[in-house]
Amino acid sequence: DAMVIQNPRYQVTQFGKPVTLSCSQTLNHNVMYWYQQKSSQAPKLLFHYYDKDFNNEADTPDNFQSRRPNTSFCFLDIRSPGLGDAAMYLCATSTSGWNYGYTFGSGTRLTVV
Amino acid sequence: GESVGLHLPTLSVQEGDNSIINCAYSNSASDYFIWYKQESGKGPQFIIDIRSNMDKRQGQRVTVLLNKTVKHLSLQIAATQPGDSAVYFCAEKPHGNAGNMLTFGGGTRLMVKP
Repeated sequence: DAMVIQNPRYQVTQFGKPVTLSCSQTLNHNVMYWYQQKSSQAPKLLFHYYDKDFNNEADTPDNFQSRRPNTSFCFLDIRSPGLGDAAMYLCATSTSGWNYGYTFGSGTRLTVV
Repeated sequence: GESVGLHLPTLSVQEGDNSIINCAYSNSASDYFIWYKQESGKGPQFIIDIRSNMDKRQGQRVTVLLNKTVKHLSLQIAATQPGDSAVYFCAEKPHGNAGNMLTFGGGTRLMVKP
């Protein structure tokens, strides 16, 4: 089945130690998104790729970076994780049409110790 | 650790009853709306969508109502089942490819009592 896959499901990292979360898709969607979701809150958009074009949200900290080496893969890099970065990180994909929803992965739960 | 989040509004219903979850959206330029269901530890799952040229759309056991006058969206679930227990988010999107960003509203936790 076509889907969005995130690895790992759970990630524990040390305070200040760089960490990378990965997302892959078999939907051939041209737009990929990274969301941060904290407990009992709505997902918050960090950035997205429209094809190869990177689009950062204005309030996304510089600590968060992303790479999209090809259509299928997208990575979220957290350069120096702080305790406040502990959250669920959700990857989503969509086509560029305006009236289509997003397909989400199952998320990666990040714990910072 | 993770910072404490806001307390989600909770709707508690008896199994078999109908549920109505409400959402107020803010952007009058939004013309596409989606309801997502999110179970614990999982990503949001698409339930149903509606375009702004409609005021009602029905799916299997679910109905979405859109009132553009007061910028209100609701999700009705018929004959609620224990498997419907989850957090439900509404999301809105403004028209146009450049504005292809989905903005989530605050969620509502649905608890179904057997």
